[in-house]
Amino acid sequence: AAGVIQSPRHLIKEKRETATLKCYPIPRHDTVYWYQQGPGQDPQFLISFYEKMQSDKGSIPDRFSAQQFSDYHSELNMSSLELGDSALYFCASSSGTEGEKLFFGSGTQLSVL
Amino acid sequence: AQKITQTQPGMFVQEKEAVTLDCTYDTSDPSYGLFWYKQPSSGEMIFLIYQGSYDQQNATEGRYSLNFQKARKSANLVISASQLGDSAMYFCAMREGTGTASKLTFGTGTRLQVTL
Repeated sequence: AAGVIQSPRHLIKEKRETATLKCYPIPRHDTVYWYQQGPGQDPQFLISFYEKMQSDKGSIPDRFSAQQFSDYHSELNMSSLELGDSALYFCASSSGTEGEKLFFGSGTQLSVL
Repeated sequence: AQKITQTQPGMFVQEKEAVTLDCTYDTSDPSYGLFWYKQPSSGEMIFLIYQGSYDQQNATEGRYSLNFQKARKSANLVISASQLGDSAMYFCAMREGTGTASKLTFGTGTRLQVTL
């Protein structure tokens, strides 16, 4: 079965650079979530989209923005990167027809040097 | 207050034995869902099992079962017949309400090590 696809798998950036993370949800899933997991931490919710509209916002810095496109894929844009942004970024998707289950992608490991 | 509490930072279990990973939760919402995810060292977050607050029976998925005690607000994960490949970090998570795109809140995780 198709899973959530995230790209890239690994990303290395310098301080103050920008980064774009992409997420392709499971086909027919209409909701996308972004999470940030620092080293040794539990995942922290950043933002979610339902039917291309932002539906909830968590601890997402103002330097970050995200959107969901007409094909339901989502992108997380990160600007003015800081060392503390180094983390594993997960995308998850869900669908009302599959009940409450959220399925995660393999994550993008971002390293800011 | 912590919404999800996992009090066991680390657990050891011998291969072929059963192990219980503890999870308690805190919510005033009558409708919620409880999840367990496995995160191996490779980093991906793997869905294991789900329990809805209105589900009458405990959820089971293969070797995984969820011991749901609503009055105690606990949702412990039981892994039967442990395998070496079960060694990983395990996260309990909760989703409150039935609103569209309601987010998951995670516990701090339990690192399980399966030994020979």
